[in-house]
Amino acid sequence: AQRVTQPEKLLSVFKGAPVELKCNYSYSGSPELFWYVQYSRQRLQLLLRHISRESIKGFTADLNKGETSFHLKKPFAQEEDSAMYYCALSSGGTSYGKLTFGQGTILTVHP
Amino acid sequence: DADVTQTPRNRITKTGKRIMLECSQTKGHDRMYWYRQDPGLGLRLIYYSFDVKDINKGEISDGYSVSRQAQAKFSLSLESAIPNQTALYFCATSDLGGLGYNEQFFGPGTRLTVL
Repeated sequence: AQRVTQPEKLLSVFKGAPVELKCNYSYSGSPELFWYVQYSRQRLQLLLRHISRESIKGFTADLNKGETSFHLKKPFAQEEDSAMYYCALSSGGTSYGKLTFGQGTILTVHP
Repeated sequence: DADVTQTPRNRITKTGKRIMLECSQTKGHDRMYWYRQDPGLGLRLIYYSFDVKDINKGEISDGYSVSRQAQAKFSLSLESAIPNQTALYFCATSDLGGLGYNEQFFGPGTRLTVL
């Protein structure tokens, strides 16, 4: 069975500090991973996908198949980054596109 | 995203009552999902539907049922609500997308309280 683990429920940093939100996964196939974000009073939305290897709002995430990780990183956190972050894994096979979410990490960036 | 709507947005009910949560979308997506969000447990999938004739159980379907009335509508029912079904419920939609490009679009959520 596939599983996504986000070990930190809460993460606090100061503005300008680096931030890393951890995500580990368990999946027997070739993983497709995503980070979703929920800002206060906004809807849950896609932040980035591993296949795009993109940087969104200064965030990057690298898939490490050896360590089965997909950590989200930003070198200089901003107050507007405060939000709930979810790591998600897409199923394969006949249920392709179904997502399994981690428990979520609430990031607070202090001024 | 105004393309995915949920009604009601808030509901307080009593144990044993039947409740229906509705989701509508104008995105033209075939795929729809129901999740519940609980603190510390994240988002958990209740049911999902890849087209009108396709309904599948998620990881926590016990106590819930769904109906896919049309491509645009996907309803979640609690036949006999119990207090541990108190949660924030989200509907989401997606298109098939290319490999690695599946993106789900979420509704605003329904906050359900069962007393």
